[in-house]
Amino acid sequence: GEDVEQSLFLSVREGDSSVINCTYTDSSSTYLYWYKQEPGAGLQLLTYIFSNMDMKQDQRLTVLLNKKDKHLSLRIADTQTGDSAIYFCAERTNSGNTPLVFGKGTRLSVIA
Amino acid sequence: DGGITQSPKYLFRKEGQNVTLSCEQNLNHDAMYWYRQDPGQGLRLIYYSQIVNDFQKGDIAEGYSVSREKKESFPLTVTSAQKNPTAFYLCASSPPRGQWGYTFGSGTRLTVV
Repeated sequence: GEDVEQSLFLSVREGDSSVINCTYTDSSSTYLYWYKQEPGAGLQLLTYIFSNMDMKQDQRLTVLLNKKDKHLSLRIADTQTGDSAIYFCAERTNSGNTPLVFGKGTRLSVIA
Repeated sequence: DGGITQSPKYLFRKEGQNVTLSCEQNLNHDAMYWYRQDPGQGLRLIYYSQIVNDFQKGDIAEGYSVSREKKESFPLTVTSAQKNPTAFYLCASSPPRGQWGYTFGSGTRLTVV
């Protein structure tokens, strides 16, 4: 079945770049998403990428997709303390209307 | 403004009692979802509904029930059969297809006392 894997923790210094990685197993993925969750809150959609794209940039966020290796990454430039949160990767497969498959989330800690 | 509202934000329940969590959306989305979140476990799908009067079990449906009588509303009942109900519950909605992903509510934290 489908599976999405992420490392659980990442710690970076303020001002550095953060790179959060995700791997997935379903080769029929159509869209891949990055969500951010702040403490005690719901998930907020940060960005998404269509599976026929290699890269998408949106201000400080850069998404890279390697479809051959089924690897997705989110780069946050000039990381700030407000970026401290849990980041979830999710995939939408081509299998009709099945729900998104989420990773377990990466907790990003930004050290001032 | 369009959005998805969960209520209450905090809920306390005595053991053996059923409790219902509310989820309402005014985004005109067809599909709605309930997830449970425990520390270190990510999101686990409880139930989802793609159209009114229809819903499917997710990965951890035991001890939970839902209804979808209106497009806007997808309440979740945590029954006394759920052995470990203390968790953070998240509701989400989405259009049936396309790139938009899910819109999430702000969550309900349920504590069994």
